Amino acid sequence: EDKVVQSPLSLVVHEGDTVTLNCSYEVTNFRSLLWYKQEKKAPTFLFMLTSSGIEKKSGRLSSILDKKELSSILNITATQTGDSAIYLCAVRSGGSNYKLTFGKGTLLTVNP
Amino acid sequence: KAGVTQTPRYLIKTRGQQVTLSCSPISGHRSVSWYQQTPGQGLQFLFEYFSETQRNKGNFPGRFSGRQFSNSRSEMNVSTLELGDSALYLCASSLGQEADTQYFGPGTRLTVL
Repeated sequence: EDKVVQSPLSLVVHEGDTVTLNCSYEVTNFRSLLWYKQEKKAPTFLFMLTSSGIEKKSGRLSSILDKKELSSILNITATQTGDSAIYLCAVRSGGSNYKLTFGKGTLLTVNP
Repeated sequence: KAGVTQTPRYLIKTRGQQVTLSCSPISGHRSVSWYQQTPGQGLQFLFEYFSETQRNKGNFPGRFSGRQFSNSRSEMNVSTLELGDSALYLCASSLGQEADTQYFGPGTRLTVL
């Protein structure tokens, strides 16, 4: 059975801190790893990673995949209160059929 | 482009009833997936439809079913509701190709009393 584990489960930081969120996976026939941000609504897409070692960046957020270690990290620099959310990691496995296995998420709270 | 829409947004039902949830994907998207989100279990995959065919299914009982119409809109049905079915039901759409991304709708919050 496919498995995705995120750590930590929750994190409280102060504005301006840098955070690193972790995601590890065990899946058959890995295709891609995705990061989503969820506030009090639908998850919004952040990154999709397919190749090991290539960093994806968007503003203060960046992510990288390590296929050898079966893991990924999501970095957020200079955190702001608006970064407070649940960050979800999902792994797509299988062939053309679309199945995402999600981790339980990391709840990030950024205090002013 | 309009995003994924789901109706209704909130629903209250009692045990034993059945419920139908609707999802309209982003225009041009042919794949629709459904997920159940609960505080204890997180996001769990229910099933995926592509071109009116169920392409993949998660580990949920047969009380959970779905279908997709020719315009790619999808419905999910839950029969004989149980208290444990209370959850946020999320629908996500994608082009349905090998390396594309799923985009989520706002969800339907179902409460079973």
